[in-house]
Amino acid sequence: AAGVIQSPRHLIKEKRETATLKCYPIPRHDTVYWYQQGPGQDPQFLISFYEKMQSDKGSIPDRFSAQQFSDYHSELNMSSLELGDSALYFCASSSDRGSSYEQYFGPGTRLTVT
Amino acid sequence: EDKVVQSPLSLVVHEGDTVTLNCSYEVTNFRSLLWYKQEKKAPTFLFMLTSSGIEKKSGRLSSILDKKELSSILNITATQTGDSAIYLCAVGSGYALNFGKGTSLLVTP
Repeated sequence: AAGVIQSPRHLIKEKRETATLKCYPIPRHDTVYWYQQGPGQDPQFLISFYEKMQSDKGSIPDRFSAQQFSDYHSELNMSSLELGDSALYFCASSSDRGSSYEQYFGPGTRLTVT
Repeated sequence: EDKVVQSPLSLVVHEGDTVTLNCSYEVTNFRSLLWYKQEKKAPTFLFMLTSSGIEKKSGRLSSILDKKELSSILNITATQTGDSAIYLCAVGSGYALNFGKGTSLLVTP
């Protein structure tokens, strides 16, 4: 079965650079979520989109922005990167149209800021 | 502030043992409670619970929600070394999932 696809899988950036992470949800899933998981930490919710509109916002820094496109894929844009942004970034998707709240996670993008 | 607390934080058992992992929560606007298994990669979905008292079962794993006690348990019977992982409990409130810190389970041969 198709799963959530994230790209790139690994990314190394320097401080103050920008990064764009991409997420392709499971087909027919209309809701996308972004989570940040630091080393040894639990995933922290950043932001979510339902039908291309922001549906909920968590602890996303102002330096980050995200959007969901007409094909339901989503991009997380991160600017002025800081060392503390080094983490695993997960995208998850669900089908809220069917009132199912099961979120399925992608493999994650490991971002390292040097 | 929403809170999800898991216990124990860490557990070491022998193959064949049965384990019970606990999750308690305090959230506004509860929608669902989910269990995930995380090895060195993305969390893998195990169960979603929305109704109290109804056990969900998948092989050697089972889970049940108690909305009165605001808690859930995840049982693993006849544990195997492949069960070694971090088990995350997450509570859905609005669109976001609030995760607990996880229980690190190590099953030794």
